[in-house]
Amino acid sequence: QQQVKQSPQSLIVQKGGIPIINCAYENTAFDYFPWYQQFPGKGPALLIAIRPDVSEKKEGRFTISFNKSAKQFSLHIMDSQPGDSATYFCAARETGYQKVTFGIGTKLQVIP
Amino acid sequence: EAQVTQNPRYLITVTGKKLTVTCSQNMNHEYMSWYRQDPGLGLRQIYYSMNVEVTDKGDVPEGYKVSRKEKRNFPLILESPSPNQTSLYFCASSFSGRMYEQYFGPGTRLTVT
Repeated sequence: QQQVKQSPQSLIVQKGGIPIINCAYENTAFDYFPWYQQFPGKGPALLIAIRPDVSEKKEGRFTISFNKSAKQFSLHIMDSQPGDSATYFCAARETGYQKVTFGIGTKLQVIP
Repeated sequence: EAQVTQNPRYLITVTGKKLTVTCSQNMNHEYMSWYRQDPGLGLRQIYYSMNVEVTDKGDVPEGYKVSRKEKRNFPLILESPSPNQTSLYFCASSFSGRMYEQYFGPGTRLTVT
């Protein structure tokens, strides 16, 4: 059973659009929520991370929104560019456990 | 340059032939981990290590072994590979208090026939 449910699995947007990737969780022991970006042929790399006591965090064109009561969080990419085409993983770290659980990933394609 | 290296990058082998995938990091990270990536399943953790001589099972440890004799190295061993272990494997490392910020290697694509 997926502990972090991610959707959609794939997404196509036009340049300048705002793709949104959603994640949901049930485990209230999760205490940190990172997003990773993976380009073809490369390993994932940390993009941005948020704690559950913060409702929104921005880094450049990337924004995480967090809804603690709904146990949902999402990634928005403002003014998306073809160079943003990649697979994006949401993840969650569980307090007291030495692991990070990943979602299944969203393959994003930004077309010119 | 701070990095995680894996070798080999590509490997084709046959069922039952023991193999080792090496992983090394130069960032003095305490925590190291192995993941496999499969379509529709995302990244699943195989084993992790909090420090030298300290290892533990992740979510999908069956058929794999690991060891951590040095801080910088964390090899993944498949004693008797099977076709269902065909996958893309990633090694990752981080400081022990910052496991949400893992640094990943470039990946090893393994095919078992």
